[in-house]
Amino acid sequence: ETGVTQSPTHLIKTRGQQVTLRCSSQSGHNTVSWYQQALGQGPQFIFQYYREEENGRGNFPPRFSGLQFPNYSSELNVNALELDDSALYLCASMTAGGETQYFGPGTRLLVL
Amino acid sequence: GENVEQHPSTLSVQEGDSAVIKCTYSDSASNYFPWYKQELGKRPQLIIDIRSNVGEKKDQRIAVTLNKTAKHFSLHITETQPEDSAVYFCAASKGFNKFYFGSGTKLNVKP
Repeated sequence: ETGVTQSPTHLIKTRGQQVTLRCSSQSGHNTVSWYQQALGQGPQFIFQYYREEENGRGNFPPRFSGLQFPNYSSELNVNALELDDSALYLCASMTAGGETQYFGPGTRLLVL
Repeated sequence: GENVEQHPSTLSVQEGDSAVIKCTYSDSASNYFPWYKQELGKRPQLIIDIRSNVGEKKDQRIAVTLNKTAKHFSLHITETQPEDSAVYFCAASKGFNKFYFGSGTKLNVKP
């Protein structure tokens, strides 16, 4: 198993609320990417952080935002939750200049 | 942005047969193509990858081929085993700061 961890494992929220998901990257990895995986679909790239700066962004609205901390852990924040935000949220870490992403176990978010 | 299409969505083979999963991509500048295996309830795990300057790569029973001109790449699994049953995803990346995934192929290997 890889060293990427995520918390919480499951979360239930209601429409309009805000949520924060957390990711601890594997030791030595300074790049973290976040993905949304709807049921039966492939992961959709949300954004990537490198050295505390957003380094790339997919086609997600601004209510999806993130942070990376000096220890390279990361947060994904989603404001004004919508029903369609229900999904598995995965983070993945890699070394700068590396190719291989190592995924965390994911946080399953349900929006009611 | 990049668009990755993956076929078939489901694939059922007999144990010992070969399985082939195909992906196409739209951005000719994409230069890295990983394949992931995701078992039910688990995280995606990299099984093989290929860079755009290589046409084929093998790792035991698994191989990936890339045709840059046609913008498609394929995963080949030989001598399939029941433990190969899972969902497989292809992905494409340009510069390693964005990764675009296909929609997945559910492989069922029948004993």
